[in-house]
Amino acid sequence: DTGVSQDPRHKITKRGQNVTFRCDPISEHNRLYWYRQTLGQGPEFLTYFQNEAQLEKSRLLSDRFSAERPKGSFSTLEIQRTEQGDSAMYLCASSLDRYYEQYFGPGTRLTVT
Amino acid sequence: GEDVEQSLFLSVREGDSSVINCTYTDSSSTYLYWYKQEPGAGLQLLTYIFSNMDMKQDQRLTVLLNKKDKHLSLRIADTQTGDSAIYFCAERGAGGGADGLTFGKGTHLIIQP
Repeated sequence: DTGVSQDPRHKITKRGQNVTFRCDPISEHNRLYWYRQTLGQGPEFLTYFQNEAQLEKSRLLSDRFSAERPKGSFSTLEIQRTEQGDSAMYLCASSLDRYYEQYFGPGTRLTVT
Repeated sequence: GEDVEQSLFLSVREGDSSVINCTYTDSSSTYLYWYKQEPGAGLQLLTYIFSNMDMKQDQRLTVLLNKKDKHLSLRIADTQTGDSAIYFCAERGAGGGADGLTFGKGTHLIIQP
């Protein structure tokens, strides 16, 4: 297994467009997390899944953001009606279970023009 | 609320030891982590420590935890040019809904030849 993968690695979109990112966790990892990282900052937690159930959402996750993990394997993060303030690196992480360490993917860098 | 603080920059000479410091406010933290991020890359888990420990050593890395002062440090022995990166301290709360990690802003480690 090669670790957490994310696709695409880079996305440039115009303001108002919708974008969707995909994350494939490490096999057999039950937990999947989404974070956002802006320039000069540490990652900020957005949401996480235990298998297919979305268990927590942070205040950062506005109504324009939606995440799914339909079969408990890969996950998608969709942003509707993108704004310039959405420009950031979106990071995905997975862990075997609740008390295990989180392993991060390479991230998807979103630029909204 | 939860907060994790780190100094932004640390400059050391190649071959010397680097000590990166972190303070946190959440007294219910269970695990504390150190991640490394190289330019344009995701986060690499370096090491972690459980809150009932005060020290952990792993090859060139030594983590010290002072729970009373809520202070965490990462010592890198014999610092090499490949250690040049941003180092993030992160903490995980005691549970309930707080399963996302809270990160500091990161410390840029600069290696002088």
